[in-house]
Amino acid sequence: ETGVTQSPTHLIKTRGQQVTLRCSSQSGHNTVSWYQQALGQGPQFIFQYYREEENGRGNFPPRFSGLQFPNYSSELNVNALELDDSALYLCASSTGQVAEKLFFGSGTQLSVL
Amino acid sequence: KQEVTQIPAALSVPEGENLVLNCSFTDSAIYNLQWFRQDPGKGLTSLLLIQSSQREQTSGRLNASLDKSSGRSTLYIAASQPGDSATYLCAVRPDYNTDKLIFGTGTRLQVFP
Repeated sequence: ETGVTQSPTHLIKTRGQQVTLRCSSQSGHNTVSWYQQALGQGPQFIFQYYREEENGRGNFPPRFSGLQFPNYSSELNVNALELDDSALYLCASSTGQVAEKLFFGSGTQLSVL
Repeated sequence: KQEVTQIPAALSVPEGENLVLNCSFTDSAIYNLQWFRQDPGKGLTSLLLIQSSQREQTSGRLNASLDKSSGRSTLYIAASQPGDSATYLCAVRPDYNTDKLIFGTGTRLQVFP
């Protein structure tokens, strides 16, 4: 059984650029959610994908968007990067059942200069 | 608006001590509460999941309790070891239909030999 994997592990971008982060969900999981964790803070929910559709979103602007593919892997896209977007981006997968745990990947550390 | 608070923010103890980490939340309408461990710059490892109908869960040296009506959870770590050094995060699940979790800012634990 493979766990949640994310790529790349680190990324440096400049303000105004666009970035794509990738996530492969754990085997048997069909739901993927993305979180942003600023330094010293708890993770903040960005959005969730189920059956290739976004079905839940946190308080993030539209320049944060995503995709889910038929194999349940997912992408997070951020346009017009701002300095405050510098953070650890975490992907989590689950079976979508409320009583089940979420399993997180190791994250992508994004630095915006 | 649900808010999650963790006390203390940091803790430094000698090896062998029994520890209690506290988590409080403002809205008792939750489906479950999950405790995670996070090593520096890394993803989250799920430790324990307590459903809203449960009072406690145990795994090895870890025991988590939940008092939903008072908005409190505690994580008890028995016989602490240097390998327990990490940040411990609690998170509540407010929604049935999404994997949205609301996190506290964590307790940074250091166990020294």
